[in-house]
Amino acid sequence: EAQVTQNPRYLITVTGKKLTVTCSQNMNHEYMSWYRQDPGLGLRQIYYSMNVEVTDKGDVPEGYKVSRKEKRNFPLILESPSPNQTSLYFCASTTRQGPNYGYTFGSGTRLTVV
Amino acid sequence: KQEVTQIPAALSVPEGENLVLNCSFTDSAIYNLQWFRQDPGKGLTSLLLIQSSQREQTSGRLNASLDKSSGRSTLYIAASQPGDSATYLCAVEKTSYDKVIFGPGTSLSVIP
Repeated sequence: EAQVTQNPRYLITVTGKKLTVTCSQNMNHEYMSWYRQDPGLGLRQIYYSMNVEVTDKGDVPEGYKVSRKEKRNFPLILESPSPNQTSLYFCASTTRQGPNYGYTFGSGTRLTVV
Repeated sequence: KQEVTQIPAALSVPEGENLVLNCSFTDSAIYNLQWFRQDPGKGLTSLLLIQSSQREQTSGRLNASLDKSSGRSTLYIAASQPGDSATYLCAVEKTSYDKVIFGPGTSLSVIP
């Protein structure tokens, strides 16, 4: 089954403790991206990657890092999490090819930083 | 800076009605516009993508139109069903490899 898998689904952590949210896709998509979703602010893009070793900042990259060493994986790293990074996070991938390419989203990671 | 808005914020309709959701964007220089649906607590599902050179796209009971010059897109849902209840989001990209900017969404409830 074609899918984007995020782990973990839920995470509670403490301020300053480094964490990584993993994202993996099995569709050989070149493009992957991370978003956060907050009440009243909607969905905002954090980082995106056009292909292996090619990444760029989205709208809200501060406090986050990403890497794209393999095509299938695009982990999101919070080096020193803070309470304002409490949010629902989504990873997505797409081919960006064809007239009507769609995005495949993961199920989300609900992160709470205390 | 590109801003995307959606009207209405929420909509409740009886089953069987045809309805229109609106999306507006401030910068008409876009690469494409997409419509997504999001069910509560879940990720987004792609519905339709309209390239900047296109005027509309159709999929089943859904039809999305794009008017770049006025900075507007509409999503038309025909013969609405309770299963259509979800939040609908539009999103724009400025260039072929650029940031994606989402609207705040329209929460749709279709009453049986």
